[in-house]
Amino acid sequence: AQKITQTQPGMFVQEKEAVTLDCTYDTSDPSYGLFWYKQPSSGEMIFLIYQGSYDQQNATEGRYSLNFQKARKSANLVIPASQLGDSAMYFCAMREGASGTYKYIFGTGTRLKVLA
Amino acid sequence: ETGVTQTPRHLVMGMTNKKSLKCEQHLGHNAMYWYKQSAKKPLELMFVYNFKEQTENNSVPSRFSPECPNSSHLFLHLHTLQPEDSALYLCASSQDFFGGVSYNEQFFGPGTRLTVL
Repeated sequence: AQKITQTQPGMFVQEKEAVTLDCTYDTSDPSYGLFWYKQPSSGEMIFLIYQGSYDQQNATEGRYSLNFQKARKSANLVIPASQLGDSAMYFCAMREGASGTYKYIFGTGTRLKVLA
Repeated sequence: ETGVTQTPRHLVMGMTNKKSLKCEQHLGHNAMYWYKQSAKKPLELMFVYNFKEQTENNSVPSRFSPECPNSSHLFLHLHTLQPEDSALYLCASSQDFFGGVSYNEQFFGPGTRLTVL
């Protein structure tokens, strides 16, 4: 079974509209971290936001917020007012546990296109 | 230079060639990673080094050989590759604490676009 699932391979949104990118995860580890990365066409992965499994509040980082629903095992990225520069691939990732392993598991990504 | 750098940015090689990818991080991090990114597939973790010691080898074929001479440099030596090895190879680094709960984000380099003919 996939550990990270992103069900939207591609999305279009009008500039200035809000957009939510979906991410669900699967783990039995009580301790984990969830990440969102942005990958523009240049290829470099850019860290956007992090949510820890024990965090009580939804994470926010600048324009980005994370809608964390632990019982549903979902960690959706919310961009409240999209900009043209937001057009990119977006990856959700998870790191499990505190065992000293360094495995980050990535989803297949969502390609977001913001329209003028 | 700052952040994570990778050279070369593009590489075309034949199946019999030997080449190396280089990654350098200027962030003082202790963990470095190699990922392979193929079209329409999730990012695949290949190798992880922590304090120069290899801690993960994700069943990667032996035609890929990593080397980490110090905490700032990471190499991926390539030999007798196959066309299906064509992909974007990303290097990343992070500051991690062995055995602790630490979820510091990874910082990625721009990647090397590899084409195997």
